[in-house]
Amino acid sequence: EAQVTQNPRYLITVTGKKLTVTCSQNMNHEYMSWYRQDPGLGLRQIYYSMNVEVTDKGDVPEGYKVSRKEKRNFPLILESPSPNQTSLYFCASSFGGVVYNEQFFGPGTRLTVL
Amino acid sequence: AQSVTQPDIHITVSEGASLELRCNYSYGATPYLFWYVQSPGQGLQLLLKYFSGDTLVQGIKGFEAEFKRSQSSFNLRKPSVHWSDAAEYFCASTPGDDMRFGAGTRLTVKP
Repeated sequence: EAQVTQNPRYLITVTGKKLTVTCSQNMNHEYMSWYRQDPGLGLRQIYYSMNVEVTDKGDVPEGYKVSRKEKRNFPLILESPSPNQTSLYFCASSFGGVVYNEQFFGPGTRLTVL
Repeated sequence: AQSVTQPDIHITVSEGASLELRCNYSYGATPYLFWYVQSPGQGLQLLLKYFSGDTLVQGIKGFEAEFKRSQSSFNLRKPSVHWSDAAEYFCASTPGDDMRFGAGTRLTVKP
C-alpha cells in the first residue's frame, strides 16, 4: 500500500532532550516536506527537500534540523526541544514539486514538550 | 510574501444545504492554489487544485472551486453537504516549492 509513515505517533518529552521523528514513504517520491499544525495557524512548512541531499527552509525552520540521505526517508530532528515546539507534525511527499503534484500526508505525530 | 487567508474559522450548515468556504490569497505572480480536507484525527487529502485555464475546477467528493483573479479568491463550494463532509478545510498556495496554508475552516454539519 502506498503510504507515508511517521514514528512515533505520540511523544511526550522534556525540554532539551534531543529527539527524532522519522518519516518514510514507499512511493519513490522526490519531494518530501515537514509541517507543523497549530490551532488557528493552520499548517506551516518547516523544511522541504526536492531530492536526496537537497533541503530548504520553509516558513518556520528555527529549532529544527532535517536530513535527506535516502530518497525514502526524511527525519525531523529537534536538537533541544522547547515547549513552543509542542505541536502536531505532518510529513508529506509528492512525485516532483508541489505545484503540479499531489502531496500525500502521513498520519501525524503529536509532540508535547514539557 | 505570499499568504493565504481563510476568513471563517468555523461554519455550520445543515445537511443537504449548499456550502461555500472562502479563501483569499495575496500574491504577485500567477498563484497555484489548492484545497485540502482534514478529517478528525487524519492527515490531509487533496480535494482540488488550480494552475491555469478554466477558472472553475472540479474536485473529488463533489466539491468545486472558482478562481477569481479580480477578487484574489479561490472559494470552495458544494451544492449539497453530507454529514461525512464535517472536517477541517485548508486552502493553500505555492509559487513553486514551498507551500503556504491558510488557518483552516472547521465545518460542522447539522442533521
